[in-house]
Amino acid sequence: DAGVTQSPTHLIKTRGQQVTLRCSPKSGHDTVSWYQQALGQGPQFIFQYYEEEERQRGNFPDRFSGHQFPNYSSELNVNALLLGDSALYLCASSVPGVQETQYFGPGTRLLVL
Amino acid sequence: RKEVEQDPGPFNVPEGATVAFNCTYSNSASQSFFWYRQDCRKEPKLLMSVYSSGNEDGRFTAQLNRASQYISLLIRDSKLSDSATYLCAVDRGSTLGRLYFGRGTQLTVWP
Repeated sequence: DAGVTQSPTHLIKTRGQQVTLRCSPKSGHDTVSWYQQALGQGPQFIFQYYEEEERQRGNFPDRFSGHQFPNYSSELNVNALLLGDSALYLCASSVPGVQETQYFGPGTRLLVL
Repeated sequence: RKEVEQDPGPFNVPEGATVAFNCTYSNSASQSFFWYRQDCRKEPKLLMSVYSSGNEDGRFTAQLNRASQYISLLIRDSKLSDSATYLCAVDRGSTLGRLYFGRGTQLTVWP
């Protein structure tokens, strides 16, 4: 049973560039959430996708956008990268419901120079 | 006030010790509570969901105190392999599926 997968594992970009991160959810899961984790901090919620729609959004600027495909996989896009966007980007998948449990992928480590 | 607060530690304990972490949350409508474990430079891994009646999984016990709005994690008979950062996560009730995380508590178990 495959868990959550993410690609790429590492990425180096320069300020102003754009980046796309990818996530495939755990088998049987239809909901994907994206989190940003800065060094020494807990994960911060970016947004969540369900049925190919953005269901919820955290306090992140419009530079952060996403998409969910019919097979439930998802992409996170970040435009006009800033140095402060350097972080571990985590994808979590779940099935909606009470006590909705989220399972995380290995993350993509983004460094913006 | 932050949604979720944890003492960042570090907690340094010898093997075999019992250690407890607390995590406070600000929203009384929160319904779902979790403890995750995160190893250095890895993803958070679900350790336990926390239920109203409290729950136990081997050496780990989680408790929820709704009146005081905190959850706790107790680790008995600590092992070297328990060394990690422990993150608590809470929803906000009205935003099912969105989790708010504390910054984590770092635990080091020494031989």
